[in-house]
Amino acid sequence: DAGITQSPRYKITETGRQVTLMCHQTWSHSYMFWYRQDLGHGLRLIYYSAAADITDKGEVPDGYVVSRSKTENFPLTLESATRSQTSVYFCASSKGDRGFSGANVLTFGAGSRLTVL
Amino acid sequence: KNEVEQSPQNLTAQEGEFITINCSYSVGISALHWLQQHPGGGIVSLFMLSSGKKKHGRLIATINIQEKHSSLHITASHPRDSAVYICAVGETSYDKVIFGPGTSLSVIP
Repeated sequence: DAGITQSPRYKITETGRQVTLMCHQTWSHSYMFWYRQDLGHGLRLIYYSAAADITDKGEVPDGYVVSRSKTENFPLTLESATRSQTSVYFCASSKGDRGFSGANVLTFGAGSRLTVL
Repeated sequence: KNEVEQSPQNLTAQEGEFITINCSYSVGISALHWLQQHPGGGIVSLFMLSSGKKKHGRLIATINIQEKHSSLHITASHPRDSAVYICAVGETSYDKVIFGPGTSLSVIP
């Protein structure tokens, strides 16, 4: 089905483990984003990508790694999970044909709820 | 001062009421977005606008670029409109999207 899908939707892990959250979009959108949403903070940008093989840090990148070898995939890896990374993670994409990342409609995945024990 | 502010923070309305949520921003933008998030749910884009006014069903969004202000109106509100409404702007100096804190709306039958 067309759209943007995230997996897993729910994940419980332990401190120190590596976790990868997957994001896949079928529109060939240029821009992809990873956000975390926490009470009292709203949506905060972790990393974003303007195209395949181009990634850049957002507001809260520490402890996270991303890659984008293919346009449609943008996985987010927590190399050594910490309790402070317990959050809801949203992947989003936008077309990117107007020169600015925020100049096109943003489409969000359903979210991945991660709990780090 | 936050770059994107919303008011009110929380809003309770009776079913059928006309609702207005405001968003003000302090940066140069390429576009402004209104998003909706139901409790425990995903985030849906309602509108993207860079000028004027857009309407979709009972929802209307307006923007005044000179005043750096946008409003989201809901006519004939319904309990299913209960959600958090988030204003976001595509900021141009650093090419990033900045989100407001959200407005939590509860519509009571």
